Amino acid sequence: GAVVSQHPSRVICKSGTSVKIECRSLDFQATTMFWYRQFPKKSLMLMATSNEGSKATYEQGVEKDKFLINHASLTLSTLTVTSAHPEDSSFYICSARRRTNTGELFFGEGSRLTVL
Amino acid sequence: AQTVTQSQPEMSVQEAETVTLSCTYDTSESDYYLFWYKQPPSRQMILVIRQEAYKQQNATENRFSVNFQKAAKSFSLKISDSQLGDAAMYFCAYKSGANSKLTFGKGITLSVRP
Repeated sequence: GAVVSQHPSRVICKSGTSVKIECRSLDFQATTMFWYRQFPKKSLMLMATSNEGSKATYEQGVEKDKFLINHASLTLSTLTVTSAHPEDSSFYICSARRRTNTGELFFGEGSRLTVL
Repeated sequence: AQTVTQSQPEMSVQEAETVTLSCTYDTSESDYYLFWYKQPPSRQMILVIRQEAYKQQNATENRFSVNFQKAAKSFSLKISDSQLGDAAMYFCAYKSGANSKLTFGKGITLSVRP
């Protein structure tokens, strides 16, 4: 199967600091990766679409200067939450699409961010 | 824009019984995919079942099957012989054939009574 790994799974940081979350496709090349945010008992909200070698496309209402996304290779995308505030505390999930479009996306385990 | 509606926030089923989770969607496209994802307490999203819109036959994966009614834009999930491990949030999702974005419904919390 296709495996997507996120790291770290949990992170606690102080207000004003920046936090980087990594999303790796371990056994396939991911031309496109997606970043979602999820509040407790709520649905996944798409934040941005990340294509390898190009700038990410952000959804309406998502601050691109606050949530920096980089997709430097076919197996790695990173989400950096800059100058974190307590309201940025959330569960962040990435998903990846294989080169061959079977329609299916593969999800990482998610990362719990807590900003103090 | 496509929308996915899951109108029931919670459901409960007795172990070994059958439960059906409902989902409707709205689209003007003819080429699309539909999915049901399970999110257990671990928060890992797990694909339960997928359906290509061009296929008339309903998808089946072991105890999980769908009732895909394309004209009615309905895509319900039936779980047979429910098990305690089926307790989770379930999300219905839509993907256009033209791009890779998934549009999720609000989700439904399924509890399984022993």
